[in-house]
Amino acid sequence: AQSVTQPDIHITVSEGASLELRCNYSYGATPYLFWYVQSPGQGLQLLLKYFSGDTLVQGIKGFEAEFKRSQSSFNLRKPSVHWSDAAEYFCAVGVSNTGNQFYFGTGTSLTVIP
Amino acid sequence: NAGVTQTPKFQVLKTGQSMTLQCAQDMNHNSMYWYRQDPGMGLRLIYYSASEGTTDKGEVPNGYNVSRLNKREFSLRLESAAPSQTSVYFCASSESGYEKLFFGSGTQLSVL
Repeated sequence: AQSVTQPDIHITVSEGASLELRCNYSYGATPYLFWYVQSPGQGLQLLLKYFSGDTLVQGIKGFEAEFKRSQSSFNLRKPSVHWSDAAEYFCAVGVSNTGNQFYFGTGTSLTVIP
Repeated sequence: NAGVTQTPKFQVLKTGQSMTLQCAQDMNHNSMYWYRQDPGMGLRLIYYSASEGTTDKGEVPNGYNVSRLNKREFSLRLESAAPSQTSVYFCASSESGYEKLFFGSGTQLSVL
């Protein structure tokens, strides 16, 4: 069965510091990969997605992610974190058996220290 | 545009009561989804509808039923609510394939 693992439940970084959130997936074929962000009390918003091609993808708000097939990873990065980046971040995998299904990791909560 | 609209936003039920969560999207999307979000569990897929007229089980379908009423609307029904169904429920839609999901603002459900 496919699965998505986000090993870091909670991360704290200082404003201006770099950020890397980890995501590993288990899926037989090349998956469709996504990162979403959720602010408190809100629904999820797409940050970026990977379907094929260049393994380094750029997203909104200065985020990027790199697909590494050999490591089954899709880590999210940002060079300089802003206080407004504090939120919950979810990695997701898109698969297709009889239709479109998206499976989410358990999320990483990001705290930004001024 | 309203996007994905969920109702109600909050609901408290007693064990054994039934209710239906409503979801509508105005983006002419083919696929719609119901997720539940629980602390430490992330989002888990309950049911999805790849296109009008079809529905399929996700990861955690037990205790739920769904209806794809038309292309716009996808409802989730709890026939006999249980405390284990206390959660935040999100409806989402996507155009097709693996296009991004658009989420509603969620329904916070408590079952006492």
